[in-house]
Amino acid sequence: GEEVAQTPKHLVRGEGQKAKLYCAPIKGHSYVFWYQQVLKNEFKFLISFQNENVFDETGMPKERFSAKCLPNSPCSLEIQATKLEDSAVYFCASSRTSGRASSYNEQFFGPGTRLTVL
Amino acid sequence: GESVGLHLPTLSVQEGDNSIINCAYSNSASDYFIWYKQESGKGPQFIIDIRSNMDKRQGQRVTVLLNKTVKHLSLQIAATQPGDSAVYFCAETNSGNTPLVFGKGTRLSVIA
Repeated sequence: GEEVAQTPKHLVRGEGQKAKLYCAPIKGHSYVFWYQQVLKNEFKFLISFQNENVFDETGMPKERFSAKCLPNSPCSLEIQATKLEDSAVYFCASSRTSGRASSYNEQFFGPGTRLTVL
Repeated sequence: GESVGLHLPTLSVQEGDNSIINCAYSNSASDYFIWYKQESGKGPQFIIDIRSNMDKRQGQRVTVLLNKTVKHLSLQIAATQPGDSAVYFCAETNSGNTPLVFGKGTRLSVIA
């Protein structure tokens, strides 16, 4: 598609339950990024993929969070045993591959998934 | 209801006036800077970008200024319209597909 799609729009989980969020990048884009936004404030980078390979996971909490981008499937972000502080809006962004290492590739953002942990 | 950003700086401007939103960035090695607009319930929307080898770039009704000496970025919106009401974020990054580092947002409120 021509827009980044994220599902579900809203997700409510009890503390300790699992949450799984999905992202379909723009067709033809090779890179996928996940960001967490708490209270409409700053964005925190979590992880990025180049096709199905993890590209950068420096922002990813080592425990409880995992992510995948498998061929011919939406990318996913999964939180095991959610905690109250996981409540946030999770944004996915995608960008295309550039032939030049020096160029910047614009990241296009999806509408986000609002996760509420009760 | 939806949570609102706490402690977000707010700029209120009269419709038709010019708006200036400021941002201090953190990494002197960053070479790309982007301004995003985020409306309620939506993802960030690209407005304008600038590379570190420039100090000014103009788009339609928007201008971005970059001062690398003091690590400062500003967004100027000419003839502000009610549709410009949103939260604005600056972001910095390096070339390629590196993650964006976002600054704190500024809420722009346009008074009709």
